[in-house]
Amino acid sequence: NAGVTQTPKFRVLKTGQSMTLLCAQDMNHEYMYWYRQDPGMGLRLIHYSVGEGTTAKGEVPDGYNVSRLKKQNFLLGLESAAPSQTSVYFCASSYLQGAQGNTQYFGPGTRLTVL
Amino acid sequence: AQSVTQLDSQVPVFEEAPVELRCNYSSSVSVYLFWYVQYPNQGLQLLLKYLSGSTLVESINGFEAEFNKSQTSFHLRKPSVHISDTAEYFCAISPVDFGNEKLTFGTGTRLTIIP
Repeated sequence: NAGVTQTPKFRVLKTGQSMTLLCAQDMNHEYMYWYRQDPGMGLRLIHYSVGEGTTAKGEVPDGYNVSRLKKQNFLLGLESAAPSQTSVYFCASSYLQGAQGNTQYFGPGTRLTVL
Repeated sequence: AQSVTQLDSQVPVFEEAPVELRCNYSSSVSVYLFWYVQYPNQGLQLLLKYLSGSTLVESINGFEAEFNKSQTSFHLRKPSVHISDTAEYFCAISPVDFGNEKLTFGTGTRLTIIP
């Protein structure tokens, strides 16, 4: 079991460029999440998905889009990158609520710098 | 609305000394509580969680946390820390309600162990 994997690990973009971050999980989890982590601000939820073909906005969705075409994959897109999107991005996944509560499993992160 | 407060952004502690990392939360509904740990340049890992039952929960590496409903707290403690405990620690909550499976994180506490 690889758990949650993220591609790429590092990326440098110029302002206005676009890119897609890929998250994959092999635990058959229903729920998937994208967070950004910035110093002193903890983790903030960007978008999430409660199942294949569904997406929903989180706390800081502006400037990002997501897609969940397959249950195991969750893509995060930046259409026109801005320096304010320089951050570390984490993907996570979890089972449906139940005996586990909402225990989320995290990927290793993608460090994105926008110049 | 929910919120999590970790008042201490940084905690330096001498090796083999005890430590307490504070977490307080606010929520209008019942919640599950979590502590996650992030080692340098890694993703978040679940350290321990409270779902129900005994209010004292323990991790495999000697940490414990106690859920105090009246004080809305979930402080993390360890009686004797090691160099390997150097990391950032995040407290998080999630509503018990089914269909609202999102975590709200605190801003994190960076634990530094002094040899």
